[in-house]
Amino acid sequence: EAGVTQSPTHLIKTRGQQATLRCSPISGHTSVYWYQQALGLGLQFLLWYDEGEERNRGNFPPRFSGRQFPNYSSELNVNALELEDSALYLCASSPTVSRGETQYFGPGTRLLVL
Amino acid sequence: KDQVFQPSTVASSEGAVVEIFCNHSVSNAYNFFWYLHFPGCAPRLLVKGSKPSQQGRYNMTYERFSSSLLILQVREADAAVYYCAVCSNDYKLSFGAGTTVTVRA
Repeated sequence: EAGVTQSPTHLIKTRGQQATLRCSPISGHTSVYWYQQALGLGLQFLLWYDEGEERNRGNFPPRFSGRQFPNYSSELNVNALELEDSALYLCASSPTVSRGETQYFGPGTRLLVL
Repeated sequence: KDQVFQPSTVASSEGAVVEIFCNHSVSNAYNFFWYLHFPGCAPRLLVKGSKPSQQGRYNMTYERFSSSLLILQVREADAAVYYCAVCSNDYKLSFGAGTTVTVRA
């Protein structure tokens, strides 16, 4: 069974541009989560989508947004890129909305903002 | 503010037991999760729960505001970053900054 996939693996942008990151969850999973891992820091929760709806978001500005499609894949959009947005962005999926449910991670997209 | 704390590094020798301690200030905490992360690969769940549990060489202790991950008979291949995460009632996972485990032969 395929795991969580993310694209692209690497992305280079300049300040002020927009970045779009994509995630495909494990088949049958309806929840998708996005995390940011900046250099030297832990995983910071960004967004959670379930059944096409944004269910929760972390302490990030509104220029971080996303959506979930009917096939449960998801996009993370980062507008007006800033240098400090350079980080590894990880996507995770889980089968149901449950606090005890395991999140399965993708390999991440490394975003570099110049 | 919901925060999860864990040591930045832990050093060990092959065959020893490695303990990584984690505590948190997450309101309405429900579950602990311990993830293993090799750079360039997807983080992988090792063990989880709201009570002490074991998965192979990985033991998890549980208290309401803290947990420890114990890696039994640690090997050089176990050198990686280990994340403690706490799930709250609003389904949000709060992660610690990660603990880098180094293992001497």
